[in-house]
Amino acid sequence: AQTVTQSQPEMSVQEAETVTLSCTYDTSESDYYLFWYKQPPSRQMILVIRQEAYKQQNATENRFSVNFQKAAKSFSLKISDSQLGDAAMYFCAYRLPFADKLIFGTGTRLQVFP
Amino acid sequence: SQTIHQWPATLVQPVGSPLSLECTVEGTSNPNLYWYRQAAGRGLQLLFYSVGIGQISSEVPQNLSASRPQDRQFILSSKKLLLSDSGFYLCAWSVQGGAETQYFGPGTRLLVL
Repeated sequence: AQTVTQSQPEMSVQEAETVTLSCTYDTSESDYYLFWYKQPPSRQMILVIRQEAYKQQNATENRFSVNFQKAAKSFSLKISDSQLGDAAMYFCAYRLPFADKLIFGTGTRLQVFP
Repeated sequence: SQTIHQWPATLVQPVGSPLSLECTVEGTSNPNLYWYRQAAGRGLQLLFYSVGIGQISSEVPQNLSASRPQDRQFILSSKKLLLSDSGFYLCAWSVQGGAETQYFGPGTRLLVL
């Protein structure tokens, strides 16, 4: 069965600094999709970034980038130039093609200090 | 652009009472629709998904049910709520296809007392 593990329950970073959130997953499939979602205090899940497993190039969205290591089954999120608005729960998620279920990790709470 | 709405935003219900949560999507046709539940301090668990009107698949057996009476409307129901039904319920949609991202609504906070 596929599982997603986020080993850091909480992380903190100072404003303008860089932080990396870790995610590992377990799968026997070769084709799949990985996501990072942000859940601010409003609790709406907001897509941050998405990675297709068949792409070797790491996805980037403005200040957010991933380090996708397929062999190691690792998918970390790097937030550069952290802002106060980045404070939230961050969830890593996995999905197979044509599957309906997103499998989520337990989340990492990110605090940003001024 | 597409938007997804959920209501109510917050609901407090006694044990044994019925439940109806509604989700609607605008700006797209024939979406896949999903109901997730998030227990306190945990990730999301898929409850139901639908690929079309009247087509509902259940992931987790429980006292909840889902219906899709219209293309862009998805309803989560219960005849009798349990204490364990408390949580945060999120609706999501995606375009039909193999690679599509799921986009989430604002959620409903349900407290069963």
